[in-house]
Amino acid sequence: RKEVEQDPGPFNVPEGATVAFNCTYSNSASQSFFWYRQDCRKEPKLLMSVYSSGNEDGRFTAQLNRASQYISLLIRDSKLSDSATYLCAVKGGSSNTGKLIFGQGTTLQVKP
Amino acid sequence: GAGVSQSPRYKVAKRGQDVALRCDPISGHVSLFWYQQALGQGPEFLTYFQNEAQLDKSGLPSDRFFAERPEGSVSTLKIQRTQQEDSAVYLCASSPTSTQYFGPGTRLLVL
Repeated sequence: RKEVEQDPGPFNVPEGATVAFNCTYSNSASQSFFWYRQDCRKEPKLLMSVYSSGNEDGRFTAQLNRASQYISLLIRDSKLSDSATYLCAVKGGSSNTGKLIFGQGTTLQVKP
Repeated sequence: GAGVSQSPRYKVAKRGQDVALRCDPISGHVSLFWYQQALGQGPEFLTYFQNEAQLDKSGLPSDRFFAERPEGSVSTLKIQRTQQEDSAVYLCASSPTSTQYFGPGTRLLVL
């Protein structure tokens, strides 16, 4: 079993839709959580960190559920430009080097 | 300001050839990470430097992989006797504290 798991999708949604992705992690000692966006043939770019209380940045909302060991990303009012792969990443646990453990990524396609 | 840069952006190698991939981190960033990303997968950790010290190399897949950062800035990832399974994108990331900033990657194809 992988340490961080995501549904690879693809998620195909119309413009304006709300879409949610989940990501589960296995190491209960994990300390920090992130969502990265990766466009085709580009590098991952930090979308947002995920805080215990949940956090929002415009149309994007991230939440952490430590009891069930998952993080989520909600995108409201999807835009064509949101089409990308969304990677969840987890840091911490037994290692203190700061390395990120990534999920496989979830592909989102927003259609007109 | 300038981000993380990597060179070459693309590399085609014949099986058995040695390759060297370079990473120029953001100036002043203490931490530097190397990741390998296979097609359709998320990045996988290879190794970590804090300044010039390699503190974690647990992700290096074999002893054919070697990384260095001798002066605490530029880093080089070397792969000896490349194999077809080494074909991937090699990403470098640097970090001042928590957030990691990725370079554009080197796309390696081993024929």
